[in-house]
Amino acid sequence: AQTVTQSQPEMSVQEAETVTLSCTYDTSESDYYLFWYKQPPSRQMILVIRQEAYKQQNATENRFSVNFQKAAKSFSLKISDSQLGDAAMYFCAYRSPYNTDKLIFGTGTRLQVFP
Amino acid sequence: EAGVTQFPSHSVIEKGQTVTLRCDPISGHDNLYWYRRVMGKEIKFLLHFVKESKQDESGMPNNRFLAERTGGTYSTLKVQPAELEDSGVYFCASSLNSGRWYEQYFGPGTRLTVT
Repeated sequence: AQTVTQSQPEMSVQEAETVTLSCTYDTSESDYYLFWYKQPPSRQMILVIRQEAYKQQNATENRFSVNFQKAAKSFSLKISDSQLGDAAMYFCAYRSPYNTDKLIFGTGTRLQVFP
Repeated sequence: EAGVTQFPSHSVIEKGQTVTLRCDPISGHDNLYWYRRVMGKEIKFLLHFVKESKQDESGMPNNRFLAERTGGTYSTLKVQPAELEDSGVYFCASSLNSGRWYEQYFGPGTRLTVT
């Protein structure tokens, strides 16, 4: 069975600085999808970025980018030029391409952004 | 376009009582998912509807949980009788189609507290 591990329960960053959130996963599958979701306080969870395992190029969405290391089964999220609105819980998730839609989540990392 | 909505936002009940959670997916989304996050732990998949059929209910913890989606629109998740370990945040998500490429849009969650 696949698992997702986020080893940082809490992180903090100064506004305008860069922060990296860690995520590792375990799977025996060669093809899969990885996601980072963001849940601001009292708001719904939204998709930040996704990566397809067969693509070597790291995904980027504006200030958000990932460092995908398939051999190491690592999928970290880098937030550049951090803004106050980036403060949220961040969840890493895995999805298998085979016969299921379910997302497998990590325990989350709470990111605080200080002015 | 309205997002996924959930009702109530917060419910406090006593052990042994019954609670019904409701989820309204994005209009036109055939796929509806329920997830649960117990305090401090990972978000776990409960089940997946395609229209009104249960596609995958492998995550349902036991027979005290009953999910329905009559008519293929909104869904309810009933817990009867509730136990202390059922406390947590219940998330609903919907997607236009099933399959790895389609994004799941999440609701804000229902926080259930069983005392």
